[in-house]
Amino acid sequence: EPEVTQTPSHQVTQMGQEVILRCVPISNHLYFYWYRQILGQKVEFLVSFYNNEISEKSEIFDDQFSVERPDGSNFTLKIRSTKLEDSAMYFCASTTGGALFGQETQYFGPGTRLLVL
Amino acid sequence: RKEVEQDPGPFNVPEGATVAFNCTYSNSASQSFFWYRQDCRKEPKLLMSVYSSGNEDGRFTAQLNRASQYISLLIRDSKLSDSATYLCVVNSHNQAGTALIFGKGTTLSVSS
Repeated sequence: EPEVTQTPSHQVTQMGQEVILRCVPISNHLYFYWYRQILGQKVEFLVSFYNNEISEKSEIFDDQFSVERPDGSNFTLKIRSTKLEDSAMYFCASTTGGALFGQETQYFGPGTRLLVL
Repeated sequence: RKEVEQDPGPFNVPEGATVAFNCTYSNSASQSFFWYRQDCRKEPKLLMSVYSSGNEDGRFTAQLNRASQYISLLIRDSKLSDSATYLCVVNSHNQAGTALIFGKGTTLSVSS
C-alpha cells in the first residue's frame, strides 16, 4: 500500500537554527499538508499546498515557516529560525483531492520529531 | 474559533466490553467528519468516516447529529489491540484540500 514517507525521523537543533523537514507524499496525490503535534496536545493544522502554492494556512504558520515542492516528489517544510516552542512532532499528509465536500482521506506520514534546544 | 471537544479519558475497560466516545464540534461549516486512531508516538490513521445516516464497520459504529454538532463512536467487543487514542476530526470547510481540525483525543486502555 502506498505510504507517505518523512525524513528525518528525529531532528535535534539549536534555537535559532534553520531546519528543513522532508516529505514524500503518495505519488498520485495532489494536495499536501503539514500538521504539528506538541507533546501531550492535539494535532494542529499548519498549511495546505496545491498546484505549487499555499491554499490555506493557520495562524501558527507565520513568516518563520515556508513550504516548497522542489521537485516532482518531495514536499518540504522549512523553519527559518527555530524557537524552543517549535519542538513538536511534525506530520506531513496528502490526499487525492478528488472527493466531494472534503471527504477524502488524508494519509499521514510517520512524522519527524523535532527537538529545539 | 473552530474547536473539537472530546472527553480525554482514559477509559479503562476489560476485553469484550462496549465503550462509547463522544465529541462535539463548534464549526457549523464542517461537512466531513472522521474518527482517527493514534497509537503512542505514531501518526493518526483513519479509522472511519462518519456519515449523516450513521455507519458501521465491523465492531465500530459512528453516529452524527448535525443539529447538536455531536459525533459518537461505539466500539463493541473491545480487543487488547483497540488500546489507543481516538481522535475526533472534522474538516474546516467544504472543499477539496481543506484543513482537518482535531480533537485532543480520548484514550482507551483495554485490559485482559
